[in-house]
This record gives sequence, C-alpha cells and structure tokens, in this order.
Amino acid sequence: KAGVTQTPRYLIKTRGQQVTLSCSPISGHRSVSWYQQTPGQGLQFLFEYFSETQRNKGNFPGRFSGRQFSNSRSEMNVSTLELGDSALYLCASSTTGEMNEKLFFGSGTQLSVL
Amino acid sequence: QKEVEQDPGPLSVPEGAIVSLNCTYSNSAFQYFMWYRQYSRKGPELLMYTYSSGNKEDGRFTAQVDKSSKYISLFIRDSQPSDSATYLCASKGSNYKLTFGKGTLLTVNP
Repeated sequence: KAGVTQTPRYLIKTRGQQVTLSCSPISGHRSVSWYQQTPGQGLQFLFEYFSETQRNKGNFPGRFSGRQFSNSRSEMNVSTLELGDSALYLCASSTTGEMNEKLFFGSGTQLSVL
Repeated sequence: QKEVEQDPGPLSVPEGAIVSLNCTYSNSAFQYFMWYRQYSRKGPELLMYTYSSGNKEDGRFTAQVDKSSKYISLFIRDSQPSDSATYLCASKGSNYKLTFGKGTLLTVNP
C-alpha cells in the first residue's frame, strides 16, 4: 500500500509569489491534514479536510488556504509569500480523522522563500 | 504555556544505553498519545500509539502514559546508532488535529 505522497519535494520561491503544494493520501483515507514544521515553532497544525470540507483550521493567516478534491487528494496554497513561510510542509492522512485514528505523514515539501 | 511541552535536548548517549524521552501536556481533553520518529529531511514516522494510562511495549520501545500527572514517556532499550533521530510526542483530543511537542534530537554514538 503506497504511503502519503507529497509533491514537489523541494520548492524555491521569492517573496510575494504564491505556491501550491499537493498531497495524495493513503488509498482509502478520506481525512487529510496539513502541518507546518519550522525549527523555532516545531510542528503546527494548518487545517484538516474530510469529504472536501474543512473541519478545523489552525492559527495561521488567511494567506494559507487549502482544498480537498472528491478523490481525497488535497492541495494547500500560500499566497504573497513571506520569508517566514520557509518551512517543511507536511501532509498527513487517516481514514476519517476521528480521535482514535493513527495519523500517517508524507515526506513533506521543503519550501524556501528568498 | 504550550499544550504539549517537550525537552528539546539534544540528547547524546552511547550505543546500548537506555534512553528516556519525556513530555508533559496541559489539555485534559487529550486522550490519545503518539510518539513519532523523524529522520533528517523526512516526514514523521509513527512509532507508538497509546490511549490508556500504563505501559505499551513494542520491541525495544516502551511508551508510558500517566494521565493523572499528564506525563508521557518513551523508553528505548539497547539503543542503536540507527535510532539517532528527532523524537516527537503528540496528543490528540476531539478536534481532528494532533498537537506536537517540539521534538527531542537524539544521537546514539557507536
């Protein structure tokens, strides 16, 4: 069974640009969540989607957005990039996202903003 | 106060040592507890998953949860150089998200 797949693996952008990251969950998983990881703040929750609906959102500005498609694949978008957006962006999936489920992560997209 | 606190280390031990990694949490709504291992430039890999207070063992790894004191631990026996990684504790409540500690960087020296 394939794991969580994230593309691209690495991205370099400049300030002011926008970026779209992609995530394909484990087959059969319908909950997809996104996390930002930085050395200073660690792993922070961005948002969670299930059946194309956002069910929870972390404390990030509106420049961070996401969506989920009917096949459970998800994308996140960051507009007007800032230097502080440089981070490892991780996608995780589970069957339904309920409290008792295990969460499985992809390898992440390393975003560098210059 | 962060909801999950974890000593960032770094922690350096000789091969074969017993490693103890610890976290505390403040949110009483947290009911599920996980330990992830993350190698450099990789995503977190689920190591242990526990619900109730007590111990759970898997090979060389033991996860311990004490809900009365809001304390979670991971023990690694007979540590190996391949165990060198960042270890992240995480807790889950009812709102579809994991709350992570900042991670402890462990180095096991041959």
